Amino acid sequence: EAGVVQSPRYKIIEKKQPVAFWCNPISGHNTLYWYRQNLGQGPELLIRYENEEAVDDSQLPKDRFSAERLKGVDSTLKIQPAELGDSAVYLCASSAPGAGWPYNEQFFGPGTRLTVL
Amino acid sequence: GESVGLHLPTLSVQEGDNSIINCAYSNSASDYFIWYKQESGKGPQFIIDIRSNMDKRQGQRVTVLLNKTVKHLSLQIAATQPGDSAVYFCAHPPDAGGTSYGKLTFGQGTILTVHP
Repeated sequence: EAGVVQSPRYKIIEKKQPVAFWCNPISGHNTLYWYRQNLGQGPELLIRYENEEAVDDSQLPKDRFSAERLKGVDSTLKIQPAELGDSAVYLCASSAPGAGWPYNEQFFGPGTRLTVL
Repeated sequence: GESVGLHLPTLSVQEGDNSIINCAYSNSASDYFIWYKQESGKGPQFIIDIRSNMDKRQGQRVTVLLNKTVKHLSLQIAATQPGDSAVYFCAHPPDAGGTSYGKLTFGQGTILTVHP
């Protein structure tokens, strides 16, 4: 079974440029998460989708970050404009519906390493 | 605020030794904990979990111990192998329900290096 797929794996941009990340979750997983992981830190949730609905975006910096999951499958995360402090690994994860309590196991993709110069 | 943290940022062991990775948490209401392993260039991978009604849980070569009195948990890896080299995170999801369901709070991580 294919895992969570993310692209690109690496991205280097100059500050003030836009950037987008793409995620394809595991087939059948209706919940999708975007995390940001700074160097040496644990991942921090940016946004969580249940199907196509963003049910938790409280940690998403909405002035420059946006996300969408139009058909409830693939998702894109965009930053515009990027700042130096946005350099991090952006992880996508997915989980199956109702798989467990209090937590549905999240399966992570390999992440996109963003470097903002 | 709630936090989950680690005592030791790095741990270096010889192949075959046992490894112990520690984690402290601050929210006494936390009732479920997960250990993740993250290899270089990969996303975190679930290792083992434990609920607060348990003190110990064993998996394949791994054991998690939970001490609720001092709000501390540990991950023990038996007969550590070079393939165990990774960053290990403890994580805690909030109580089930509402918009916080599914959110994980991760600790800083411990880098485990296993020398052949």
